[in-house]
Amino acid sequence: GENVEQHPSTLSVQEGDSAVIKCTYSDSASNYFPWYKQELGKGPQLIIDIRSNVGEKKDQRIAVTLNKTAKHFPLHITETQPEDSAVYFCAATPRVSGSRLTFGEGTQLTVNP
Amino acid sequence: DSGVTQTPKHLITATGQRVTLRCSPRSGDLSVYWYQQSLDQGLQFLIQYYNGEERAKGNILERFSAQQFPDLHSELNLSSLELGDSALYFCASSPLGSGYTDTQYFGPGTRLTVL
Repeated sequence: GENVEQHPSTLSVQEGDSAVIKCTYSDSASNYFPWYKQELGKGPQLIIDIRSNVGEKKDQRIAVTLNKTAKHFPLHITETQPEDSAVYFCAATPRVSGSRLTFGEGTQLTVNP
Repeated sequence: DSGVTQTPKHLITATGQRVTLRCSPRSGDLSVYWYQQSLDQGLQFLIQYYNGEERAKGNILERFSAQQFPDLHSELNLSSLELGDSALYFCASSPLGSGYTDTQYFGPGTRLTVL
């Protein structure tokens, strides 16, 4: 089945710096790759997603790139702010398993003022 | 606010008991998914329903069952509870989820504590 790995498990940056969270998947049939942000006591919130027919997607300070050869889709956050502090999860959906999401282990991002 | 609602927010019960978690999807969404989030297992897919029918099953225990009703709300039933069932249970919904991978929106979750 699909295996999603995420690195690092914790990341601490200074306000205004950029942050990159790496994510790799194993199933070449996967075709949908969302990123979620989870704040304490809340459910995962979709922040950006990318499909297998797209190489890059941006939404203001957030971007995701998809490299299908290397099977990775890192998350880039620029000009980080304290409110970006949260746990970030990447996920992948293997085509053969319908719409279920297989999640990475999560990255705790801390943005220091 | 994702538009997905879950009740109750917190649930504390004893081993051996049975509980029911409820989820209302976003208006118009036909698919409902259940996920379990625990410290040692991360976010794990349990089961998906599409328009009232079971669509996909993950590592859901036999003690757990779910259903989706005609009004599209869903319930997750957990029985013969064990200490290890303590976790956050999330419901997500998506417009389709059948033959197409569409975006899933998560609810706020139910925190289950088994004592």
